[in-house]
Amino acid sequence: GENVEQHPSTLSVQEGDSAVIKCTYSDSASNYFPWYKQELGKGPQLIIDIRSNVGEKKDQRIAVTLNKTAKHFSLHITETQPEDSAVYFCADARGGSARQLTFGSGTQLTVLP
Amino acid sequence: DAGVIQSPRHEVTEMGQEVTLRCKPISGHDYLFWYRQTMMRGLELLIYFNNNVPIDDSGMPEDRFSAKMPNASFSTLKIQPSEPRDSAVYFCASQGGGYEQYFGPGTRLTVT
Repeated sequence: GENVEQHPSTLSVQEGDSAVIKCTYSDSASNYFPWYKQELGKGPQLIIDIRSNVGEKKDQRIAVTLNKTAKHFSLHITETQPEDSAVYFCADARGGSARQLTFGSGTQLTVLP
Repeated sequence: DAGVIQSPRHEVTEMGQEVTLRCKPISGHDYLFWYRQTMMRGLELLIYFNNNVPIDDSGMPEDRFSAKMPNASFSTLKIQPSEPRDSAVYFCASQGGGYEQYFGPGTRLTVT
C-alpha cells in the first residue's frame, strides 16, 4: 500500500470491555489487511487478517471488518483481558502475492484490571 | 517449528564499526524480509528476497546497508560503517505459500 493511518495511538479499557482500533488506507489496489500484536521486547505476531473479498472475519474474541468503499478496516477485541495489553499494528498490501506490507503507526492498548 | 530465528538479540557497537545481523527463516518459506523499527518511522521494509534473490531493495536507506541470502536457510543484513542513527530494532520475517508473514524476535542495535 501507499499509506496507512491508524487511530487511536493509545487506548485504555477496563477488563471485560471491548476495544476497537481503526485504520484507513489510500491504495485502492490494496487487497490484504493483516493485524499484528507486538508485546514488549518481541516481534510482531500475526493475530488475524482479511482479504478484500470478505467484509468481516472473526476468531474467538477478535474480529476484523473491512469497508472497501470507505477504504477502512477495524480490529475489534471483545471481553478484553490484561494479556491483551500490547501494541497493535494494522497493515495493508497490494497485488496477488501480498509481499510488501505497509504498516500503520501502532496503537498501545492497555487493559486495566 | 522454531519460527524465525535472529541473532544476536542485542548488539552494541561504536560508530564506524561493521555490524552483521543474521536470520534463519522458517523452513520451506521462500520469501524473506528485513524490517527496521524506530519510534520516529515505525516499521519499515528494507529489502525482501524470493528464492534467495533480492526482489526490492528500495527501502535500504543508504549504500552502507547491504543484505545477502546465500541459501534458503540464512540471510544477513550488514551495516558498514555504522552510525548512531542506525540504532533501531531490526526484524527478519519469512513468508511461504500463503499471505502470512511471520516475524522473528528482532535484534536491538545500539550504535554509540
